Amino acid sequence: GAGVSQSPSNKVTEKGKDVELRCDPISGHTALYWYRQSLGQGLEFLIYFQGNSAPDKSGLPSDRFSAERTGGSVSTLTIQRTQQEDSAVYLCASRRDSPYEQYFGPGTRLTVT
Amino acid sequence: GQNIDQPTEMTATEGAIVQINCTYQTSGFNGLFWYQQHAGEAPTFLSYNVLDGLEEKGRFSSFLSRSKGYSYLLLKELQMKDSASYLCAVSPRGDYKLSFGAGTTVTVRA
Repeated sequence: GAGVSQSPSNKVTEKGKDVELRCDPISGHTALYWYRQSLGQGLEFLIYFQGNSAPDKSGLPSDRFSAERTGGSVSTLTIQRTQQEDSAVYLCASRRDSPYEQYFGPGTRLTVT
Repeated sequence: GQNIDQPTEMTATEGAIVQINCTYQTSGFNGLFWYQQHAGEAPTFLSYNVLDGLEEKGRFSSFLSRSKGYSYLLLKELQMKDSASYLCAVSPRGDYKLSFGAGTTVTVRA
């Protein structure tokens, strides 16, 4: 079946602009995660959605970052007033209730100029 | 916070064995994961350990010692395609919100 998909695959934006990154999880997966991967660093947790529960936003680095998940499926990560330090690869992952394995999408490479 | 350490780089010869160590200090423990990530691609799941001991899966094995906060990934009979970054990640809680190490880049040479 289809895996996790993300769009766009690459995004170049000017500092101060807003961007939206999209994630389509695997059908039937109730859990969805956003991570980001900066050059030379490990994946950093951003936000977690589980079913209809309130999202866990504890990893969002600032209030410029927000995310939503509509209908328990597609998720959008929005970064407002982008800064150069936001440049990274943003990865989305989804998981069934069990087992525990997270399936990752190919990521969106964001470059803020 | 969570602290997960693994070596930055390792090099080995085709056909050899490489062991990638990972140590962790986390606020809780609900399992340790290893992922493989080829350059420019998504991480793919390799293994999951929640109890002490060795889990073997083909050429790859993963070991966990919870009392020592230590794991290793063992890659046997190395192939060129095993050149990749290997990510150690810990789930402190049952929500599987993963904390990752910086990754170990393994280069396999002929």
